[in-house]
Amino acid sequence: EAGVAQSPRYKIIEKRQSVAFWCNPISGHATLYWYQQILGQGPKLLIQFQNNGVVDDSQLPKDRFSAERLKGVDSTLKIQPAKLEDSAVYLCASSVTGTLYGYTFGSGTRLTVV
Amino acid sequence: AQKVTQAQTEISVVEKEDVTLDCVYETRDTTYYLFWYKQPPSGELVFLIRRNSFDEQNEISGRYSWNFQKSTSSFNFTITASQVVDSAVYFCASSTGANSKLTFGKGITLSVRP
Repeated sequence: EAGVAQSPRYKIIEKRQSVAFWCNPISGHATLYWYQQILGQGPKLLIQFQNNGVVDDSQLPKDRFSAERLKGVDSTLKIQPAKLEDSAVYLCASSVTGTLYGYTFGSGTRLTVV
Repeated sequence: AQKVTQAQTEISVVEKEDVTLDCVYETRDTTYYLFWYKQPPSGELVFLIRRNSFDEQNEISGRYSWNFQKSTSSFNFTITASQVVDSAVYFCASSTGANSKLTFGKGITLSVRP
């Protein structure tokens, strides 16, 4: 079974630029999550989708972050404009229909904002 | 709100020593789930175990064992006869299961020296 795919693996941008990350979950997983992991901390949920609907985006900085999952499969997370404090690893995860079964993380995208 | 505390930040042991990683959780829910994840230098989060609040039985898997004690709100993880390949950051996490968001601790960096 293929895992959760994420790209790019690494990204370096200057502050105030925009960036986008892509995630393709495990086939059949209806629930998709984006987590932010700042160096030295545990991952923190940014947004959770159930199919193409948002379940929880309470910790998403909506003035600069946006995410979509238009067809209920793959997802894109965007930051515009980026700030230095956005430097982190962005992890995508997916699970079976909002349960905790098969909760699998991708390898992440490491973003450095300079 | 849930909270996970991993008071230890860094642990260094010599190969073949036993090591215990501590995890204390806080929750008002009667139903909840606890997890341990391993994050090697490559960055992906590797699932180790999931335990629900109704099952306090300790679990052993090879060199790994987990001690869940509701009386002290702890879910500790022991590695027996540690190996260099065990070197990683280990995260404890919790979830109510209602929306399946994971709340992570700050992680413990384990270094196993040959």
